[in-house]
Amino acid sequence: GDSVTQMEGPVTLSEEAFLTINCTYTATGYPSLFWYVQYPGEGLQLLLKATKADDKGSNKGFEATYRKETTSFHLEKGSVQVSDSAVYFCAFSNSNSGYALNFGKGTSLLVTP
Amino acid sequence: GAGVSQTPSNKVTEKGKYVELRCDPISGHTALYWYRQSLGQGPEFLIYFQGTGAADDSGLPNDRFFAVRPEGSVSTLKIQRTERGDSAVYLCASARRGEDHNEQFFGPGTRLTVL
Repeated sequence: GDSVTQMEGPVTLSEEAFLTINCTYTATGYPSLFWYVQYPGEGLQLLLKATKADDKGSNKGFEATYRKETTSFHLEKGSVQVSDSAVYFCAFSNSNSGYALNFGKGTSLLVTP
Repeated sequence: GAGVSQTPSNKVTEKGKYVELRCDPISGHTALYWYRQSLGQGPEFLIYFQGTGAADDSGLPNDRFFAVRPEGSVSTLKIQRTERGDSAVYLCASARRGEDHNEQFFGPGTRLTVL
C-alpha cells in the first residue's frame, strides 16, 4: 500500500554541519511531495513542496528534489542552525487518497552550538 | 489573520465516555482534514471534508468515530465509547480547496487522554 519511509532519528548535528534526511515513498499515480516541520511547542507547518518529477522545492535554506525514478524526496541543508532543531515529516498526497497527506514517522533533528 | 484553531487543547476522559473535538478552519477554506498522531508516529488521515460533505472517510478506524461539518466551516470530531487506544493528538487542517498541491494549514491539535 501507499507509504512513506524516512530515516529514523534522532539526528544530532553541530551548528553549520550539512544535513540530509532521506525519504522514499510508495504511491500510485503522480503524487505531490511535501516536507512539514514541527518546531518545539508549535504546530505542523509546511517547509517545502514539489508537485512534479524533477521539481526542486526550497525554503529557509532547505531543498528537496522530486526524484520519480528512485521515488525519493531527500531533504538537505548546507549549514544547519540551532533554530533548525525540530521534527521533520516527509509526506505525499494524490487524488487516490482524496488529497489527504500520507506522512512518514518523522525525524527528530537536534542541532548543538 | 487567524490560523486554524482547535478546542479543547487537552481532554482527559474515562474509558467508555463520549467526547467531541472542535476545529475552526481558516476563513474561506473549503477543504478540512482530520488526522490522528500517536506518540512517535506521523499524523494518520481520518476524514476529509469538501464543503459540508465528507468526501473521504476511509481513515476513520471504526464506527465509534464520526465527524460533521454542517455549515461548511467549523467541524466536530465525535468519538463514542472511548477506549485507551484512542489516546493521541487529534489534528485538524484546512486548505483553500481540496487539491493535492494546496497547502494544508494545521491547528495546534487536541491531546486526548483516555484513562
